[in-house]
Amino acid sequence: EAGVAQSPRYKIIEKRQSVAFWCNPISGHATLYWYQQILGQGPKLLIQFQNNGVVDDSQLPKDRFSAERLKGVDSTLKIQPAKLEDSAVYLCASSLTQGRFYNEQFFGPGTRLTVL
Amino acid sequence: EDQVTQSPEALRLQEGESSSLNCSYTVSGLRGLFWYRQDPGKGPEFLFTLYSAGEEKEKERLKATLTKKESFLHITAPKPEDSATYLCAVLSNQGGKLIFGQGTELSVKP
Repeated sequence: EAGVAQSPRYKIIEKRQSVAFWCNPISGHATLYWYQQILGQGPKLLIQFQNNGVVDDSQLPKDRFSAERLKGVDSTLKIQPAKLEDSAVYLCASSLTQGRFYNEQFFGPGTRLTVL
Repeated sequence: EDQVTQSPEALRLQEGESSSLNCSYTVSGLRGLFWYRQDPGKGPEFLFTLYSAGEEKEKERLKATLTKKESFLHITAPKPEDSATYLCAVLSNQGGKLIFGQGTELSVKP
């Protein structure tokens, strides 16, 4: 079974530039998550999709971050414009439907973003 | 507010030297507590889910236990390949998202 795919793996940009990350979840997984992991910290949920609808985006800085999940499969996360404090690893995860019962989340390898 | 604190931040062991990692939590109704392993440059890998106080789960040299306030990850006779960061996370009855601790970086020397 193929895992969660993410690209690019690494990205270096100047502050105020824009950047986009791509995620392809495990086939059949309806729920998709984007996390931000700052060095030395645990992952923090930015946004959760159920199919192509947003379930939770309470911790997404909406003035600069946006995300979409077209056709309930692939997803992109965009930052525009980037700030120095956005330097982090951006993790994508997916799971089977998350309703009454929790389903294990499978994580991708992440994209390491450095903002100079 | 749901909160997870892990200790120690870093732990260095000799191969074969058993020890425990701690995960303390405050949550408005625990729906589940999760342990993940994260290797450098990789995403977290699921290890265990614990649902109620008194529950225990085992996998190879790892054993996870749960009380009403904390969870322990016991590592018996660790090997160098057990070196990784171990993350604890909670899911509350109120919210639908995992709240992660900051992790414990484990290093096992041969």
